[in-house]
Amino acid sequence: DSGVTQTPKHLITATGQRVTLRCSPRSGDLSVYWYQQSLDQGLQFLIQYYNGEERAKGNILERFSAQQFPDLHSELNLSSLELGDSALYFCASSVAETSFNEQFFGPGTRLTVL
Amino acid sequence: GQSLEQPSEVTAVEGAIVQINCTYQTSGFYGLSWYQQHDGGAPTFLSYNALDGLEETGRFSSFLSRSDSYGYLLLQELQMKDSASYFCGSGSARQLTFGSGTQLTVLP
Repeated sequence: DSGVTQTPKHLITATGQRVTLRCSPRSGDLSVYWYQQSLDQGLQFLIQYYNGEERAKGNILERFSAQQFPDLHSELNLSSLELGDSALYFCASSVAETSFNEQFFGPGTRLTVL
Repeated sequence: GQSLEQPSEVTAVEGAIVQINCTYQTSGFYGLSWYQQHDGGAPTFLSYNALDGLEETGRFSSFLSRSDSYGYLLLQELQMKDSASYFCGSGSARQLTFGSGTQLTVLP
């Protein structure tokens, strides 16, 4: 158990819908990262927040947005969902602001878009 | 931009040694990290190299050569539980990139 929690574990929805994925970092960690992993694919970095502020951005679609709240939990919002958005979405956290330190991953949310 | 390349599959027998290579092209490179992921599970951190040379952690070692834009993960005394995907990753000030992963299969 990494100490990072993600909810829900599974999510099934239809195309065109909007969903919100939630992540709570390890106690004391200020950085939260979001990743997308499609079937048999690597980890695609989406976005990083540090202490409430956006710090780094990957190839995140405009239909996707995220935020980190004062209690440091984070939410990833996915809208106008398409079939291709079906994937595992991981959240990770770390103590440091920089991206290359050890990151602790949550168990992931498996999103299925029908 | 950044890109990392690693072999898609590696197979070895229990007790053997295996090396998983990673070559990278990045701007503003800070270091190379390695993660292990079992099927459907969360990636777990294995090691990080900020400087050239070898880092050893138990049965796992990781190496980095900045001049060659190359690194590797070395797994010794392979066990069945080492069967998993292994990802190399690099970060810069504003970006994180991972390779596509190497599926390691350990045979009895």
